[in-house]
Amino acid sequence: QQPVQSPQAVILREGEDAVINCSSSKALYSVHWYRQKHGEAPVFLMILLKGGEQKGHDKISASFNEKKQQSSLYLTASQLSYSGTYFCGTESSGGGADGLTFGKGTHLIIQP
Amino acid sequence: DAGVIQSPRHEVTEMGQEVTLRCKPISGHDYLFWYRQTMMRGLELLIYFNNNVPIDDSGMPEDRFSAKMPNASFSTLKIQPSEPRDSAVYFCASTLSGRVDTQYFGPGTRLTVL
Repeated sequence: QQPVQSPQAVILREGEDAVINCSSSKALYSVHWYRQKHGEAPVFLMILLKGGEQKGHDKISASFNEKKQQSSLYLTASQLSYSGTYFCGTESSGGGADGLTFGKGTHLIIQP
Repeated sequence: DAGVIQSPRHEVTEMGQEVTLRCKPISGHDYLFWYRQTMMRGLELLIYFNNNVPIDDSGMPEDRFSAKMPNASFSTLKIQPSEPRDSAVYFCASTLSGRVDTQYFGPGTRLTVL
């Protein structure tokens, strides 16, 4: 089952904050976040394991609520380089494929 | 390391033709994944290998699709015969240890079937 991301798209001014949400109908083992720029491959941002741990680096952080089967990606004081499409990829707790099931993505546009 | 290498980067073919996409994973990575990306369906996992053995091919859309990994440094995804609805970007990704590990994506192959 594909996770649901929201919003589908967001337009921000440089310096503003953004939150991207990812929710699943299945129990999750981990959530992965990737960013993809137009015409390029997805690039890894971070992985969150069940346990509700919040991770981050620089001004991008994420949380994972295992009970709600949700994850959120936080972009603080957004920069022009943050523009792109953000995908969450999930691994279910029930075992099975180690491949990721990706959401449809959130398009983020940062304007100067 | 050079990263994940895919070839060709672009492929244009006519309906009914056989298409072969190639992937070289990062050296030492035990897992290799094939994904397909379209506007409608997003990124979909097609098949993945562990130590050259196919583990889960439930994402392969039809029998027209097949994938092989004859050795640790090479994998192919073949479509025979190709159809216009197969047009997409096909990504190969590799990871060191599988679960809960960073997946490194190749640059992708943009396939257009006319």
